[in-house]
Amino acid sequence: EADIYQTPRYLVIGTGKKITLECSQTMGHDKMYWYQQDPGMELHLIHYSYGVNSTEKGDLSSESTVSRIRTEHFPLTLESARPSHTSQYLCASSGQGRGYGYTFGSGTRLTVV
Amino acid sequence: GNSVTQMEGPVTLSEEAFLTINCTYTATGYPSLFWYVQYPGEGLQLLLKATKADDKGSNKGFEATYRKETTSFHLEKGSVQVSDSAVYFCALSGFAGGTSYGKLTFGQGTILTVHP
Repeated sequence: EADIYQTPRYLVIGTGKKITLECSQTMGHDKMYWYQQDPGMELHLIHYSYGVNSTEKGDLSSESTVSRIRTEHFPLTLESARPSHTSQYLCASSGQGRGYGYTFGSGTRLTVV
Repeated sequence: GNSVTQMEGPVTLSEEAFLTINCTYTATGYPSLFWYVQYPGEGLQLLLKATKADDKGSNKGFEATYRKETTSFHLEKGSVQVSDSAVYFCALSGFAGGTSYGKLTFGQGTILTVHP
């Protein structure tokens, strides 16, 4: 039973369109993350948040932006999609404390044509 | 900084074979260690974890022991099934002060394919 939800699961969109990938969690976690996963499987952290009104860029530079207005919601937006944005995007959240780990959503597979 | 190194893949095995996927790490202090599994078309799921030296995490027949002396957390399973075919990620979470633990650092992932 998923406690973190990503929509849509699949999205095919034309170049230049604005898109928002949704991520919501019901666990009350303060920490949330966005990862981009390339075809070689490696995970790249692109954004994270440690609470409402807190957002930071991750290790991989990304043209996307994020917002955190509510604890449970952490959407990612691309103002103008390009083919280079084609990828799998994974959202995750975590609680506090040692050994908590992350809970991941099922991902959004984005294709920009 | 923290880093995780996994054995190169892909790994291909026959059903009922023994599985080992090596994972070594570099971190300061006493990190928590994790194995995640990703089935095709899905997000990552936590498979098992260990939070201190000599702890053994286990789940679904998989095991891994936190070895501080060798900075390793190798994943093992005695008899793999076709349904174990997936990508496996080793990860660590380092201590960030107080009661806070930092972002997970992931290995590069290892593809496992099990044939009947």
